[in-house]
Amino acid sequence: GDSVTQMEGPVTLSEEACLTINCTYTATGYPSLFWYVQYPGEGLQLLLKATKADDKGSNKGFEATYRKETTSFHLEKGSVQVSDSAVYFCALLSGSARQLTFGSGTQLTVLP
Amino acid sequence: NAGVTQTPKFQVLKTGQSMTLQCAQDMNHEYMSWYRQDPGMGLRLIHYSVGAGITDQGEVPNGYNVSRSTTEDFPLRLLSAAPSQTSVYFCASGGGARTDTQYFGPGTRLTVL
Repeated sequence: GDSVTQMEGPVTLSEEACLTINCTYTATGYPSLFWYVQYPGEGLQLLLKATKADDKGSNKGFEATYRKETTSFHLEKGSVQVSDSAVYFCALLSGSARQLTFGSGTQLTVLP
Repeated sequence: NAGVTQTPKFQVLKTGQSMTLQCAQDMNHEYMSWYRQDPGMGLRLIHYSVGAGITDQGEVPNGYNVSRSTTEDFPLRLLSAAPSQTSVYFCASGGGARTDTQYFGPGTRLTVL
């Protein structure tokens, strides 16, 4: 079945540091890939998505590129802020099903 | 446009009690689903619906019941609560295509004593 493996946390960075959160997937066919973010006490919000190979999703300074050859969708940001502190989830949607398959989440804390 | 709403926000139950978690969306989405979130396990799908009158099981359906009588509403019923059902529950809705974004509600934090 489909699965998503995410870099385990927690991750602690200083403000303005570079961020990479690794995500790899196993799926049949050609899945759509998503990054969701969960701020403390809130629900999940879509951060970015990519629907086909080589697509780059971007939002709020975050980027991720759909790499079919390495089955990866790593999340990157060049300079993190304290306000980026949250839990980040990688997810995929494949085939005719519309159920999202999630990774286990990565807790990011950014210190001033 | 309220998006996806869930009630209640918090709930404490005793073992064996039943209750219904409410979920509503005003985006006219076909697809709705329920997930539970447990520490270190991401989100796991409980039940989903591809339209009014159609529901199906997800990864962890035992102990839960759903129905979809309207496009807008998708309640989740706990028939006889157990401590293992202590979790945060999220409802989501989205369009019908594989590329469509799914939108999540704010969650219900349930504790079963």
